[in-house]
Amino acid sequence: DAGITQSPRHKVTETGTPVTLRCHQTENHRYMYWYRQDPGHGLRLIHYSYGVKDTDKGEVSDGYSVSRSKTEDFLLTLESATSSQTSVYFCAITPGQGGNTEAFFGQGTRLTVV
Amino acid sequence: AQSVTQPDIHITVSEGASLELRCNYSYGATPYLFWYVQSPGQGLQLLLKYFSGDTLVQGIKGFEAEFKRSQSSFNLRKPSVHWSDAAEYFCAVGGSGYSTLTFGKGTMLLVSP
Repeated sequence: DAGITQSPRHKVTETGTPVTLRCHQTENHRYMYWYRQDPGHGLRLIHYSYGVKDTDKGEVSDGYSVSRSKTEDFLLTLESATSSQTSVYFCAITPGQGGNTEAFFGQGTRLTVV
Repeated sequence: AQSVTQPDIHITVSEGASLELRCNYSYGATPYLFWYVQSPGQGLQLLLKYFSGDTLVQGIKGFEAEFKRSQSSFNLRKPSVHWSDAAEYFCAVGGSGYSTLTFGKGTMLLVSP
């Protein structure tokens, strides 16, 4: 299994509070991604990173920010959580550009905003 | 823009029967195509991928998929389904020079005894 660890695995938070999810990899892969998974929507890309301090927006980036200060860590922050951000969040990594190579996924973080 | 359509939200198959999950893609150039499987509470695992060459590709767990350019399809097949195959299956498309994949909405496979 690819060395990807997501933390926390489960979190319940209140509306309006900030939340940070962490993705840690031991594979030294350049590309890292954050997806959210919701019933009926499949996986939708939130943000991705193609190197330290290099990030770009995905399909559903509103309300989310990311940071990557080290190759191994990619943080996803919800500045002010809303109920619509209740979801399962997955981190993924690829050794090269993700459009033409296998992605490896973490186990997911289930976030509930009440 | 690239897109993936998985027409079936749920499919129920009897154990031992054959399986075909449909995937149609939209992409302006030669696509890179993937099938992933997700067991409950788990992340996604790659089943197989198509980049070029033989249009029939073999994957893990006895799965195969056929790329049909004329139909913009990449359907997943298995000749005999096992109860452990019950999971959600995702088709994805990408391309050379693209940094991201686009996923379909998934097909949930239920296996009846």
